[in-house]
Amino acid sequence: AQSVTQPDIHITVSEGASLELRCNYSYGATPYLFWYVQSPGQGLQLLLKYFSGDTLVQGIKGFEAEFKRSQSSFNLRKPSVHWSDAAEYFCAVATGGSQGNLIFGKGTKLSVKP
Amino acid sequence: DSGVTQTPKHLITATGQRVTLRCSPRSGDLSVYWYQQSLDQGLQFLIHYYNGEERAKGNILERFSAQQFPDLHSELNLSSLELGDSALYFCASSVGISGNTIYFGEGSWLTVV
Repeated sequence: AQSVTQPDIHITVSEGASLELRCNYSYGATPYLFWYVQSPGQGLQLLLKYFSGDTLVQGIKGFEAEFKRSQSSFNLRKPSVHWSDAAEYFCAVATGGSQGNLIFGKGTKLSVKP
Repeated sequence: DSGVTQTPKHLITATGQRVTLRCSPRSGDLSVYWYQQSLDQGLQFLIHYYNGEERAKGNILERFSAQQFPDLHSELNLSSLELGDSALYFCASSVGISGNTIYFGEGSWLTVV
């Protein structure tokens, strides 16, 4: 069955430090992978997506993610975290060939220390 | 602001009741998706409509139904509500039927007491 696992429920980093959020997927075919961010009281905003090609994907707000087929992973990274990055981050895989039919991970809540 | 509008933003209702959540997609978008976000189940895809027709169903309960109207707005109807239906319900929209980025609204908070 298709699934997405985000092993870390909650991560705290200091402002200015680097960040890596982990995501592992289980999907039979070539996956379409996404990272979304949800700020308190807000909807989900797309950070970046991977369909094919270059395995390092650049997104908005200085985020990037690397697709590693051998590890079934799609980890999100940012070299220097800002206080405004505090939010919940969701990894997702598209099913049925549709970018709208998504299976989400449980999310990772990011806290940023001043 | 994604351009997807959901009403109401908050709703409190009693068990056994029925509610309707409304979604207006972004201008020009023909697809509407509904998702449920709960503490227990996380984010789950419920249903997808494209230009008035149902295209895909996810983990949507039989007590729940949806439709998309000719003006492309959509409604999610939740009936015989149970405590466990308390959740944040998101609507999202996209231009096409499958190959386009989807944009989420801010959600409707439903509390069943």
